[in-house]
Amino acid sequence: EPEVTQTPSHQVTQMGQEVILRCVPISNHLYFYWYRQILGQKVEFLVSFYNNEISEKSEIFDDQFSVERPDGSNFTLKIRSTKLEDSAMYFCASSERTSGYEQYFGPGTRLTVT
Amino acid sequence: TQLLEQSPQFLSIQEGENLTVYCNSSSVFSSLQWYRQEPGEGPVLLVTVVTGGEVKKLKRLTFQFGDARKDSSLHITAAQPGDTGLYLCAHRAQKLVFGQGTRLTINP
Repeated sequence: EPEVTQTPSHQVTQMGQEVILRCVPISNHLYFYWYRQILGQKVEFLVSFYNNEISEKSEIFDDQFSVERPDGSNFTLKIRSTKLEDSAMYFCASSERTSGYEQYFGPGTRLTVT
Repeated sequence: TQLLEQSPQFLSIQEGENLTVYCNSSSVFSSLQWYRQEPGEGPVLLVTVVTGGEVKKLKRLTFQFGDARKDSSLHITAAQPGDTGLYLCAHRAQKLVFGQGTRLTINP
């Protein structure tokens, strides 16, 4: 069964460093998403991406964040200058279509900023 | 933002017991979804409820959407240790808006 994959599973970085989190969505899916979950808190939407551009973003997704689909398979989330409060699980998801279609989640990347 | 409040936040019961967890809001939703999340994994969709009053069953799990489409419940019959996990309700628009979840622990 096709699945969303994410790498790395765990990333430790120092405050101020740039990190890139990588995702490979399901191959025939057209909509891509990033969510994050700070330890003990709810899963929060960050950004949705379709047709090589951002379709919606949350207040969390400020200028420090960017997303890219550099080739036909990868979908990346970049944090330019990490802060302690960026420590969280970051989940990538993809769906075949928007709204009425199920979003499939990857296993997540645990980002620890020290 | 349409907020979803889940209760209880934590629930620990013995194997074989029944339980119900709730997802409530002051807003009306066109649909609600329930997800289960296990440690180190992303949320996995269990069910989508669409019609007010709708009841859906998934083996020992029964999901109900309130008549007014403002709330939903998940009832588990004869809970098993494998049911342990974080149960999330979510509103689906273009993005998913999650409740904070109910962390369920089933003790053998």
